[in-house]
Amino acid sequence: DSGVTQTPKHLITATGQRVTLRCSPRSGDLSVYWYQQSLDQGLQFLIQYYNGEERAKGNILERFSAQQFPDLHSELNLSSLELGDSALYFCASSVGDAGANVLTFGAGSRLTVL
Amino acid sequence: AQTVTQSQPEMSVQEAETVTLSCTYDTSENNYYLFWYKQPPSRQMILVIRQEAYKQQNATENRFSVNFQKAAKSFSLKISDSQLGDTAMYFCAFMRGGSQGNLIFGKGTKLSVKP
Repeated sequence: DSGVTQTPKHLITATGQRVTLRCSPRSGDLSVYWYQQSLDQGLQFLIQYYNGEERAKGNILERFSAQQFPDLHSELNLSSLELGDSALYFCASSVGDAGANVLTFGAGSRLTVL
Repeated sequence: AQTVTQSQPEMSVQEAETVTLSCTYDTSENNYYLFWYKQPPSRQMILVIRQEAYKQQNATENRFSVNFQKAAKSFSLKISDSQLGDTAMYFCAFMRGGSQGNLIFGKGTKLSVKP
């Protein structure tokens, strides 16, 4: 157990729907990162939050949004889902927001869009 | 923009032997960090080893060691005494220094350890 908790582990939904993925960071970690892993795109950075504020943005689609709450948990919202959004979504956390920090990953949420 | 390239999509090694996984990267930054992550069939991403670019000494973690060649922008991973549990996807990753510490990953190398 890495200490980073992601729910749900698996999710199956239909095109056009909206889902929310949840992440609780490791105790003491202030940064949360979201990554998408798909067969064709590999591991892609989506977005980073540090202590409730957006810190960096990667290849995140406009249909996707995220936030980090005061208790430091984070949610990734995916809307108007398409078949191509099927992927493994990872959350990671770290103590700070600087490049010296090591990211600890959760077990991932596998999203299947039918 | 930074890029990370792993040129070996798949590799195999006999149990107890040594294997080296290659990684090259491209950056104009001087302050950065390099990582190897392992993803076994369970899909969990596990940190194997980390290297600070400003350190000349190669990082080691038990059976895992790196060969960091900064001028060549090369960062290979050596696994000694390979074990069946080392079977996994291995990802090389780059992180720039500073306040935006997100990882940029290579495409990965699938390593199979054979008994």
